[in-house]
Amino acid sequence: KQEVTQIPAALSVPEGENLVLNCSFTDSAIYNLQWFRQDPGKGLTSLLLIQSSQREQTSGRLNASLDKSSGRSTLYIAASQPGDSATYLCAATDAGNMLTFGGGTRLMVKP
Amino acid sequence: DTEVTQTPKHLVMGMTNKKSLKCEQHMGHRAMYWYKQKAKKPPELMFVYSYEKLSINESVPSRFSPECPNSSLLNLHLHALQPEDSALYLCASSSAGTREQYFGPGTRLTVT
Repeated sequence: KQEVTQIPAALSVPEGENLVLNCSFTDSAIYNLQWFRQDPGKGLTSLLLIQSSQREQTSGRLNASLDKSSGRSTLYIAASQPGDSATYLCAATDAGNMLTFGGGTRLMVKP
Repeated sequence: DTEVTQTPKHLVMGMTNKKSLKCEQHMGHRAMYWYKQKAKKPPELMFVYSYEKLSINESVPSRFSPECPNSSLLNLHLHALQPEDSALYLCASSSAGTREQYFGPGTRLTVT
């Protein structure tokens, strides 16, 4: 059974810092890996999708990498802003379309 | 249009009530999902519909009854719920190609 772990569970940084969120998964037979953002009480917003054959994806200040062999993905946020404060979730999709979520990283960016 | 809509946004119901949650997408996705999310926890999968047929039921109690009337709509019928069923209920859909999942804003359910 797939297990997804996110480290750290919480992170507080001053505005402007570059930061890295980590995600690890136990079963490398994934179809893709998604990074989501969730604001309190809201739904999930898809940030980046990395297919199993890809190594990284970029969108604006966000860059996500995938290393299937080591079972790791990282989300890099450049020049963090207070508006980036949210919970970030990674999720691995298996061949059966099932998503397994990590526990999330709660990010606080202080002005 | 990459939007999944859910109604209602908030729902308060007693343990003897019957209510329904509704989810809609017009992206042509043929897979739709119901998730339950408790505070400060990741979403937990409840049901998966693939081409309007129930393909996965994650051992959800029968007081939750899903329905997929057509390829754009997904309902979750609720009956005789318990206070511990209070949570954020999220709907999602995905394409057959990328399998990227798109989530709706959720329905905040409170069972009194």
